[in-house]
Formats: sequence, C-alpha cells, structure tokens
Amino acid sequence: DTAVSQTPKYLVTQMGNDKSIKCEQNLGHDTMYWYKQDSKKFLKIMFSYNNKELIINETVPNRFSPKSPDKAHLNLHINSLELGDSAVYFCASSQVVIQTPNYGYTFGSGTRLTVV
Amino acid sequence: GIQVEQSPPDLILQEGANSTLRCNFSDSVNNLQWFHQNPWGQLINLFYIPSGTKQNGRLSATTVATERYSLLYISSSQTTDSGVYFCAVEYGNKLVFGAGTILRVKS
Repeated sequence: DTAVSQTPKYLVTQMGNDKSIKCEQNLGHDTMYWYKQDSKKFLKIMFSYNNKELIINETVPNRFSPKSPDKAHLNLHINSLELGDSAVYFCASSQVVIQTPNYGYTFGSGTRLTVV
Repeated sequence: GIQVEQSPPDLILQEGANSTLRCNFSDSVNNLQWFHQNPWGQLINLFYIPSGTKQNGRLSATTVATERYSLLYISSSQTTDSGVYFCAVEYGNKLVFGAGTILRVKS
C-alpha cells in the first residue's frame, strides 16, 4: 500500500551508460515530480508533470528525459551517465485539496544513483 | 526566486531535551511543509502547515504566514529524532526546500 514507490532503490552503473528510474503513485494525485538531492543534502526540483503534461523543466541537461505514460507514473531516463549525476533522486506527487487526507507533497523513498 | 533559510544548520541534543527549529522565507507562499529525513534517507512528511499551529505527539509546528516564518518544536527528544529536518514552501507550482537542520540526539 506504498503511496509513492520508485525503483530501483540503488543503482550503480558505469559512465556512459543509459539508465531508467521508475515511479508510481497510488494516491490519485494529478501532479508528479522528480527531485535531485546532492551530496550536501540539498533538494532541488528537476521536472514536474501535471496529468501527463510537462509543466516544469528546471534547466536540467537534456540527457535527462522524463516520461509520463499516465498520471500515476513518471519515469526518469538518463542517457550517457556522468560522474556528476551521482545523487539521490526522489519522486514525489501532490494534490492540493484542502481538508482531504491527500494534500501536500508525498515523496518516494529515493533512488541512490552511483556512477563509477 | 524565493529564498528559504533554516536555522540552526546543526544541532546536538541530549536525549530528553527540547528544541526549536526555524524556517524563514522571503515571499508569500501557498503552502509549507516540514519533513524529516531519517538516517536511511527516507523523507517523512511531518506537517502540512501553510498557517496556524498543529501538533502531532511530541512534535508541533507553527507558521506565521504574514511574517514569513515557521517553527518546528521537538519536545523530549529521542535518539530516533536524529536526521535532517527540512522546511519546504510551495512557490510557483513547485516545492522549494531549505538547506535543512541536521539534528543529532545523544543518549
């Protein structure tokens, strides 16, 4: 009954490879996000999708491509991985409907990506 | 863009002590949340608190939106409270995070 689930939890890969991280939410939220947490623990938004439509793209290299097949899923594909891509990537979803249980932002458990 | 500042950056407590964490933000926001990132890296939502005061067990939070700050109170701290506490504000259809407060509770 996990609200926001992402896979894999850990990903170790070599420079130059292409990898994907998957995210699914069962909260019925309309908006999903990808956040990146760097080595100093700073969290910053990368992308957001509302009902399968891209609404935020925060100057992320075009090697990163989000894909949303439906409003419950937002996957992140990364081409030609670089050492600097090593970080923890969090998926999140939100629905701001006050006075309902499903308001605010809910985060997945994160994917720790290590590029070697 | 908006600035979100948290203080203190680091805090060490003896088990049983109380503490107050502060979050200042530079512009009006739609919403504010407090998160706890535990030592395993999970981001746990503590409070959704755009204004007013809420309590949940030993934790409580107060947001004064007109003065652009929020406070998180931790009473009778336990070692399991250790981790990083983040304040995040919703601004421009996204959640913007502060740099966090690293809390260590010693037994």
